[in-house]
Amino acid sequence: KAGVTQTPRYLIKTRGQQVTLSCSPISGHRSVSWYQQTPGQGLQFLFEYFSETQRNKGNFPGRFSGRQFSNSRSEMNVSTLELGDSALYLCASSLGTGGVEQFFGPGTRLTVL
Amino acid sequence: AQRVTQPEKLLSVFKGAPVELKCNYSYSGSPELFWYVQYSRQRLQLLLRHISRESIKGFTADLNKGETSFHLKKPFAQEEDSAMYYCALDSNYQLIWGAGTKLIIKP
Repeated sequence: KAGVTQTPRYLIKTRGQQVTLSCSPISGHRSVSWYQQTPGQGLQFLFEYFSETQRNKGNFPGRFSGRQFSNSRSEMNVSTLELGDSALYLCASSLGTGGVEQFFGPGTRLTVL
Repeated sequence: AQRVTQPEKLLSVFKGAPVELKCNYSYSGSPELFWYVQYSRQRLQLLLRHISRESIKGFTADLNKGETSFHLKKPFAQEEDSAMYYCALDSNYQLIWGAGTKLIIKP
């Protein structure tokens, strides 16, 4: 079974631009979660989608948004990029019910200059 | 507030010595807790979860509701255990993460 894939793997943007990251979950997984990982803040939850519905959102500004498509693929968008948005963005998929294992992608490394 | 605390950023032990990685949580309700591990140049992956009560790669973790802890233990460390370990709490469709502990096993 193919694992979670994320594209692109690396991205360099400048302040004020916007960016879209993509995540393809494991086949059959209907839940996709996004996390931001930084050296200072560690792993922080961004949002979770299940069957195209956002079920929970972390404490991030409205510049961070996401969506999920009918095939469970997900995208996240960050608008008006700030230097502090530089991070590794991880996507994880799961079968979706509580307390289940999440399977992680390799991440997208975003650098904002 | 829901919170996961891993007090040690770095833990260094000799091969063959016992290992204990600490995790404390704050949660109102019945917690669902996990240990995830990230080996060098690999993806974050599940090590074990408390509901399954398994021993994976020699590691065990017991939920202690009285002390609100979920410490990860292994009686005899091996060099391949060197990795970053994260404790996580499942709450309302999100994982709340500890800061992680870097475990180094010295030969």
